[in-house]
Amino acid sequence: AQSVTQLDSHVSVSEGTPVLLRCNYSSSYSPSLFWYVQHPNKGLQLLLKYTSAATLVKGINGFEAEFKKSETSFHLTKPSAHMSDAAEYFCVVSSRPYSGGGADGLTFGKGTHLIIQP
Amino acid sequence: DTAVSQTPKYLVTQMGNDKSIKCEQNLGHDTMYWYKQDSKKFLKIMFSYNNKELIINETVPNRFSPKSPDKAHLNLHINSLELGDSAVYFCASSETSGGGDTQYFGPGTRLTVL
Repeated sequence: AQSVTQLDSHVSVSEGTPVLLRCNYSSSYSPSLFWYVQHPNKGLQLLLKYTSAATLVKGINGFEAEFKKSETSFHLTKPSAHMSDAAEYFCVVSSRPYSGGGADGLTFGKGTHLIIQP
Repeated sequence: DTAVSQTPKYLVTQMGNDKSIKCEQNLGHDTMYWYKQDSKKFLKIMFSYNNKELIINETVPNRFSPKSPDKAHLNLHINSLELGDSAVYFCASSETSGGGDTQYFGPGTRLTVL
């Protein structure tokens, strides 16, 4: 079994200030973790993913996330917010081993709506 | 050159009708998926499918059925539409069915059932 908890449904920051979006997970296996972004009326775009390599993962558009096994966390950060970062962000966990697939392979968090104040 | 495409983008229909949503991927991937995003933006997987097996989320009503004419296409058929089926449906694909594979999403189809 696996689950994802995004601790904030909404986060509001001023342009140019740091962004922190929090995510905790639980998993029976060694997980793969993802962050996806969804801009209004658009599909989902991968920001970054962790698959048991380096614990600090760098993604697109200046985002990064750190996998902390002891805290079961995978928080997303960005040093300086831009107006174009305003969107819905989803933390996703996949616990299925590479040997198989399945409909329960990906579990999405409920999303964090990021608001950027000018 | 869109990687994962869906048609139509918007679908408005009456309760009780049968409708289909088409999905195509040009990435050469082996595995495709359908997700449902509800009004609160919560995403839940409905199906995953590769050329070997179809895995169905047990919470999906049997009015929903995926059909794959070939590896690049996974269409979603919905019979006897209900009000609660109104949602955004996303198609996705990944290279394999491995848990660490990135899934690439289509732009979504907004279904409204009146």
